[in-house]
Amino acid sequence: AQKITQTQPGMFVQEKEAVTLDCTYDTSDPSYGLFWYKQPSSGEMIFLIYQGSYDQQNATEGRYSLNFQKARKSANLVISASQLGDSAMYFCAMREPSNTGNQFYFGTGTSLTVIP
Amino acid sequence: DTAVSQTPKYLVTQMGNDKSIKCEQNLGHDTMYWYKQDSKKFLKIMFSYNNKELIINETVPNRFSPKSPDKAHLNLHINSLELGDSAVYFCASSQGGLGTYNEQFFGPGTRLTVL
Repeated sequence: AQKITQTQPGMFVQEKEAVTLDCTYDTSDPSYGLFWYKQPSSGEMIFLIYQGSYDQQNATEGRYSLNFQKARKSANLVISASQLGDSAMYFCAMREPSNTGNQFYFGTGTSLTVIP
Repeated sequence: DTAVSQTPKYLVTQMGNDKSIKCEQNLGHDTMYWYKQDSKKFLKIMFSYNNKELIINETVPNRFSPKSPDKAHLNLHINSLELGDSAVYFCASSQGGLGTYNEQFFGPGTRLTVL
């Protein structure tokens, strides 16, 4: 089974509107971390936001917020007031413990295009 | 002040050659990783290296070998390059063992093209 599933290969949003990028995860471990990364066309991977499995509140970082629904195993990224510079690939990732440390798993990504 | 650096940024080479990509992190992290990103943008973990313990993704061909001279460096050596090895290779690092969830910091990537 896929550890991280991103079902939206591509998304479009009007500038200044909000957009939600979906992510579901699969783990049986009670202790895990969830991350979102942005990859613009220039290629670098940029960390956006983190949510721990025991965190009571949804994570927020500026215009980014993570809609964490633990029972549904979803960790959707919400970008408010979209800007042209938000056009990029977005990857959801999970970190879970293993006998040898931590393992990271990435989703297949969602390509977001912001329309002026 | 680059946190995770990789060299070279671009690498063009002929099939059958052997090449290396270097990675250095100055963050004091104890775990380093190599990822391969194909043309469809799929990110695939290749190796993780923590305190001299190497975890290998079993699907990675043994032509790929990571080499870590010290905690701050994890180089990737590739033997007998094939056309299918063309991709962007990312190095990353993170801090912490079990129970910690710090994010990974990524290098800028190395675009490898095999002709």
